[in-house]
Amino acid sequence: EIVLTQSPGTLSLSPGERATLSCRASQSVSSSYLAWYQQRPGQAPRLLIHGASSRATGIPDRFSGSGSGTDFTLTISRLEPEDSAVYHCQQYGSSPPTFGQGTNLEIK
Amino acid sequence: QVQLVQSGAEVKKPGSSVKVSCKASGGTFSSYALSWVRQAPGQRLEWMGGIIPLFRATNYAQNFQGRLTITADESTYTAYMELTSLTSEDTAVYFCAREVYYGSAFQRVFYFVSWGQGTLVTVSS
Repeated sequence: EIVLTQSPGTLSLSPGERATLSCRASQSVSSSYLAWYQQRPGQAPRLLIHGASSRATGIPDRFSGSGSGTDFTLTISRLEPEDSAVYHCQQYGSSPPTFGQGTNLEIK
Repeated sequence: QVQLVQSGAEVKKPGSSVKVSCKASGGTFSSYALSWVRQAPGQRLEWMGGIIPLFRATNYAQNFQGRLTITADESTYTAYMELTSLTSEDTAVYFCAREVYYGSAFQRVFYFVSWGQGTLVTVSS
């Protein structure tokens, strides 16, 4: 199965700044089938991005995804306090679907 | 918009079983693809298995083969996840999630477009 490694583990930034989160796969992700989720404390994950770069319904354009092959990036511009959460990547190019270990984004 | 509402928290003894429900509202339940994903303390999200009621299609992660059963009751729009032979390592929050999938019902790849609120299962003697 494909192992996803996210970096950094924790990111601490101020409102208005830009966050860059990385997700690296142990082998190439077929068809760029890579999704990103946001999970606030005590809540379920929420889909942000699918297909590496397609925003889910209702997701603001401050969130953008890029990448292909084994390297993927989630960029959050103009950070807001509500962006404080854990962000997970998930590959679905091959079975079983697998998740990264998460990046904890703190807004100072 | 499909909403998924799960049953409440459970406390179980080691060796016992747990059955968690996930009730869907909105849309056509039988055509949904629903998965179960768990999150143990400090661990990454882990896909367990899924079902598409319309095709009687179930698939399970290898880690749970023989211990996990996923079913669906189309009359009540409810999916169920039953996990047997529980150990302390099964202590986790269990989520149901609706899939968007590609491929056939029996050989699909998918991401998760919506999630239930989660059910905490605690396994303790």
